[in-house]
Amino acid sequence: ETAVFQTPNYHVTQVGNEVSFNCKQTLGHDTMYWYKQDSKKLLKIMFSYNNKQLIVNETVPRRFSPQSSDKAHLNLRIKSVEPEDSAVYLCASSSWGLQDTQYFGPGTRLLVL
Amino acid sequence: QEKVQQSPESLIVPEGAMSSLNCTFSNSASQSIWWYQQHPGKGPEALISIFSNGNKKEGRLTVYLNRASLHVSLHIRDSQPSDSAVYLCAVSANAYKVIFGKGTHLHVLP
Repeated sequence: ETAVFQTPNYHVTQVGNEVSFNCKQTLGHDTMYWYKQDSKKLLKIMFSYNNKQLIVNETVPRRFSPQSSDKAHLNLRIKSVEPEDSAVYLCASSSWGLQDTQYFGPGTRLLVL
Repeated sequence: QEKVQQSPESLIVPEGAMSSLNCTFSNSASQSIWWYQQHPGKGPEALISIFSNGNKKEGRLTVYLNRASLHVSLHIRDSQPSDSAVYLCAVSANAYKVIFGKGTHLHVLP
């Protein structure tokens, strides 16, 4: 049963364009995350938000910016995409705490031509 | 910076066999450790987590954690073709950050 929703599923664009990805969770969680998964399946965290506040901002290029309207939504905008941005972007959510499991969405696959 | 290493990269087992996956981490103070399963085209799904030293069993899954040796293992008894997937080990670095390993590709042959 899906509780973390991501749109779009797939997006193809050209270098220099702007893209936006959406994420919504219906689990009532306080914390949401964006991860980037490369072709070798390595998951790297990009951002963590707790109750609409940015908590973790890993070293990602400044063209990436997260946006949160409420604790159930966390979007990701990429200004001026580059070829190395081609990847799967995964959104996740969890309750507060160190022992809390993360629940992932199905991902948005981005291809930059 | 927490590091998480998984082995083997790929594992092929016949149906009905035991699958054993390994994970080492760099920080003994890491809190929780999870194993996630990821099928092609899907997001990772949590299978089992462990916090305390020792073992934990859930159905066909058993996890062993040894904090002294910074090692955790996942064992899948009676492996099925539907278990074929990528298995990701994840370790909490702090309250808001979890570090993932590169994964083990498990193939269960019918």
